[in-house]
Amino acid sequence: EAGVVQSPRYKIIEKKQPVAFWCNPISGHNTLYWYLQNLGQGPELLIRYENEEAVDDSQLPKDRFSAERLKGVDSTLKIQPAELGDSAVYLCASSPSGQGISDTQYFGPGTRLTVL
Amino acid sequence: QKEVEQDPGPLSVPEGAIVSLNCTYSNSAFQYFMWYRQYSRKGPELLMYTYSSGNKEDGRFTAQVDKSSKYISLFIRDSQPSDSATYLCAMRGFGGGADGLTFGKGTHLIIQP
Repeated sequence: EAGVVQSPRYKIIEKKQPVAFWCNPISGHNTLYWYLQNLGQGPELLIRYENEEAVDDSQLPKDRFSAERLKGVDSTLKIQPAELGDSAVYLCASSPSGQGISDTQYFGPGTRLTVL
Repeated sequence: QKEVEQDPGPLSVPEGAIVSLNCTYSNSAFQYFMWYRQYSRKGPELLMYTYSSGNKEDGRFTAQVDKSSKYISLFIRDSQPSDSATYLCAMRGFGGGADGLTFGKGTHLIIQP
């Protein structure tokens, strides 16, 4: 079974430029998460989708970040414009249903963003 | 004070030693507790998943939860150089759906051959 796929793996951009990250969850997983991981820190939740609906986006900085999950499968996270402080690893995770008490979140390899 | 506290290390031990990793937390709503292992430049990989207080064993790994003390532990027996990684504790409540996880900052573990 293929795991969570993310692309690109690495991205270097100049500040004020836009950037987008793509995530393909494990087949059949209804719940999708985007996390931000700064160096030396644990991941922090940005947004959670149940199918195509964003059910928790309270930690997403909406002035510059946006996300979408059209058709409830793949998802894209966008930053526009990027700032120096956005340099981090952006992790995507998915879980089977979002309703089970023993739901497990499976993580992708992440996209490492460097803003110059 | 962060919701989940975890010593970032590094923790360096000789091969074959028993390793003890710990986290404390402040939110009483947390019900599910996990340990993830993260190798350099990789995503976190789930190691152990426990619900409420008690112990759970899987091979060389034992997870322990003490909800009364808000303290969780991961023990690794017969540690191997391949266990060298960052270990993240994670937890969540149960609000009718799979909430996002709250992570500690991770402990960097080094097993010396």
